[in-house]
Amino acid sequence: GENVEQHPSTLSVQEGDSAVIKCTYSDSASNYFPWYKQELGKRPQLIIDIRSNVGEKKDQRIAVTLNKTAKHFSLHITETQPEDSAVYFCAASKRRFNDMRFGAGTRLTVKP
Amino acid sequence: DGGITQSPKYLFRKEGQNVTLSCEQNLNHDAMYWYRQDPGQGLRLIYYSQIVNDFQKGDIAEGYSVSREKKESFPLTVTSAQKNPTAFYLCASIGTGDEETQYFGPGTRLLVL
Repeated sequence: GENVEQHPSTLSVQEGDSAVIKCTYSDSASNYFPWYKQELGKRPQLIIDIRSNVGEKKDQRIAVTLNKTAKHFSLHITETQPEDSAVYFCAASKRRFNDMRFGAGTRLTVKP
Repeated sequence: DGGITQSPKYLFRKEGQNVTLSCEQNLNHDAMYWYRQDPGQGLRLIYYSQIVNDFQKGDIAEGYSVSREKKESFPLTVTSAQKNPTAFYLCASIGTGDEETQYFGPGTRLLVL
């Protein structure tokens, strides 16, 4: 089955700097890659997703890139703010009901 | 955030006791999921249901049971056979069609007394 690895496990940046979180996946048939943000004690919230027919997607300060050949995808957050501090999860699936697999998460801390 | 609710927010279980976590959604979604989240780990799939009266085991189903008698409801029972139940439990649902975006409930934190 699919295996998703996520790095780093913790990331600390200064406010205004950029943050990059990377994930690799094992199943070349995976074609949907969402990113979730989870604040302490709260539910995961979808922040951006990408499908395998595109290589990059951007939404304001957040972007995701996908390299299907290398089977990795990355989350980029620019001009970080303290409210970006949270745990971020990547996931991969073949868009079938039971096959979404999550990375272990990255705890991002943005220092003011 | 609305659409999926979970209760209770906190739940305490005694040794040998079965407890049931509630998950309700008003999004008219067919597919519903239960995940377990432990510190420093990603979400692990316990059970999922694609349609009413049907459900399948996920990766870590042992010690858990579910039912899907109504489209809106997908309760999870943590049985006494689950020896390490302390975790944050998340329910999710997905609509049919092209989108595979999972919408999560607010979660239930289960603690053992």
